[in-house]
Amino acid sequence: DAKTTQPPSMDCAEGRAANLPCNHSTISGNEYVYWYRQIHSQGPQYIIHGLKNNETNEMASLIITEDRKSSTLILPHATLRDTAVYYCIVRVPQGAQKLVFGQGTRLTINP
Amino acid sequence: NAGVTQTPKFQVLKTGQSMTLQCAQDMNHEYMSWYRQDPGMGLRLIHYSVGAGITDQGEVPNGYNVSRSTTEDFPLRLLSAAPSQTSVYFCASSYLRLAVSNEQFFGPGTRLTVL
Repeated sequence: DAKTTQPPSMDCAEGRAANLPCNHSTISGNEYVYWYRQIHSQGPQYIIHGLKNNETNEMASLIITEDRKSSTLILPHATLRDTAVYYCIVRVPQGAQKLVFGQGTRLTINP
Repeated sequence: NAGVTQTPKFQVLKTGQSMTLQCAQDMNHEYMSWYRQDPGMGLRLIHYSVGAGITDQGEVPNGYNVSRSTTEDFPLRLLSAAPSQTSVYFCASSYLRLAVSNEQFFGPGTRLTVL
């Protein structure tokens, strides 16, 4: 699975959009980008995933660059409850679902 | 659906004791796994299973055993607890089939302290 690089921490004001970057320059053609988050020592929670097209769901949007070497998770209107560690993971979707968690980005939403 | 459940929520052991962490899911997921998370660190895979009767090692399997006798249950056994096994343990499950969501569901965790 491709390695990812994320900033260790970010801050965002409540109500603003939070943009979390992830670099995955060694991603291969059949690997997807997944995002999970972990709120205060709870179990990680799936947010979104994508291959090459931009994706949106009720939680967030995922923007993947055309060369697929980086992506951005967007929380459009961040709330205090979005304070968490966000993990960007790159892997193939089929087969054994071994997620490799890096250090992630600790996002703090400020009032 | 209850999702992924784990018991106990907290446990304190003495060095050398053994115990079993329980994990169950009611979503008929083929894949189940165990992770550990040490303070300030990401999750590391201990063992995983792709179906009943099939298990395999992850990144940090030493000191742990697993078995998968049913689709629903995936217990993790600590054979002889050591202080280095003090951690938070998470169980996760998901489908294996590509045609459905690959979302992994995580349990609430078991916080284990070994003295």
